[in-house]
Amino acid sequence: AQTVTQSQPEMSVQEAETVTLSCTYDTSESDYYLFWYKQPPSRQMILVIRQEAYKQQNATENRFSVNFQKAAKSFSLKISDSQLGDAAMYFCASQGGSEKLVFGKGTKLTVNP
Amino acid sequence: DTGVSQDPRHKITKRGQNVTFRCDPISEHNRLYWYRQTLGQGPEFLTYFQNEAQLEKSRLLSDRFSAERPKGSFSTLEIQRTEQGDSAMYLCASSRGDEQFFGPGTRLTVL
Repeated sequence: AQTVTQSQPEMSVQEAETVTLSCTYDTSESDYYLFWYKQPPSRQMILVIRQEAYKQQNATENRFSVNFQKAAKSFSLKISDSQLGDAAMYFCASQGGSEKLVFGKGTKLTVNP
Repeated sequence: DTGVSQDPRHKITKRGQNVTFRCDPISEHNRLYWYRQTLGQGPEFLTYFQNEAQLEKSRLLSDRFSAERPKGSFSTLEIQRTEQGDSAMYLCASSRGDEQFFGPGTRLTVL
């Protein structure tokens, strides 16, 4: 069975600063994917970034990047130059051996002006 | 293409009633997923279709829950004899590849 753990229920960051959200996972699959999804208040979930486990290079999407540590089963998200629009719930998710996504409980990010 | 749509957006019902939700995926997406999200939690997988075939069901999907995707396009999720514990946001997602695109969800409140 896959599990995803997000140990930070809430985080806050000043506008223009950098913040890192933590995620650890457990899976017995050798081939899997990891994702970070963003869910703004009362809005639908959107994909922020994804990482294929077989790739050693960390994924980057504009201001968003990940630190993927496969041996430690860690997958953190770094948001640089934080913007007010980044305020949302962030969910870490894994997918492996099945089409389903397994989500963590989420981290609520507040961006202070 | 306007993305994944779900109807209704909100549903309030009394315990014991049946409810049905609809999901219209992004056109040409052959995979469709249902998830349930309760307050303060991440979404939990319920079931998954590839075209019209239901390929995986979670143990969360009790026999009061049934999902269909009759023509491989839209899908319905029916809950019979609703219970207060069924109150949640029901999310639909579709995909053609690795990325799942989510709809806005249907918020169910069972009184």
